[in-house]
Amino acid sequence: ETGVTQSPTHLIKTRGQQVTLRCSSQSGHNTVSWYQQALGQGPQFIFQYYREEENGRGNFPPRFSGLQFPNYSSELNVNALELDDSALYLCASSLPGQGTRGELFFGEGSRLTVL
Amino acid sequence: GDSVTQMEGPVTLSEEAFLTINCTYTATGYPSLFWYVQYPGEGLQLLLKATKADDKGSNKGFEATYRKETTSFHLEKGSVQVSDSAVYFCALSDKQGAQKLVFGQGTRLTINP
Repeated sequence: ETGVTQSPTHLIKTRGQQVTLRCSSQSGHNTVSWYQQALGQGPQFIFQYYREEENGRGNFPPRFSGLQFPNYSSELNVNALELDDSALYLCASSLPGQGTRGELFFGEGSRLTVL
Repeated sequence: GDSVTQMEGPVTLSEEAFLTINCTYTATGYPSLFWYVQYPGEGLQLLLKATKADDKGSNKGFEATYRKETTSFHLEKGSVQVSDSAVYFCALSDKQGAQKLVFGQGTRLTINP
């Protein structure tokens, strides 16, 4: 039990629509990252938030945006959905310390299908 | 940019067999290296890690050694069990900036009784 919860678990959208995915971090973790995992692939880094500010971004267009709230929960928003956005979206929380760098606690993910 | 390459799957073994899953990486600095595991119906979990050259990470009977000279971090287990069936991901993290993990494509492992 990692303590990271994501919602919804599954959803279906059509091309051009917008989607919001939500994540509750593990207690005490003030850093949250989002990853996209296409079928049969490894997760790809979208961005990371620390203390409500984005502090790192992968190779994703601006229509992927996020928020982190004072209670460390987080949202991932994707606008103008495209078919290639169909994937499992993973949220991961972590502590910022050097000794725990890279030790992420993942949720089970939100599976998005774009038709 | 940084990248991780894993051996192609799927891998199917019999219980008590010896397991090796190969992983090599490309990185500009001296990254930390990880193996994550994804059991059916569960989220990714950290299996083991190594933060510098020649470090050996170990957990649940699995081991991997950080080999800087061959840029490798191969996962091994001496005797696998049915419960080890999962997808295994090798990953690296640089030591600057955001805590970004770069993952390999994953290797699906199935252990038959």
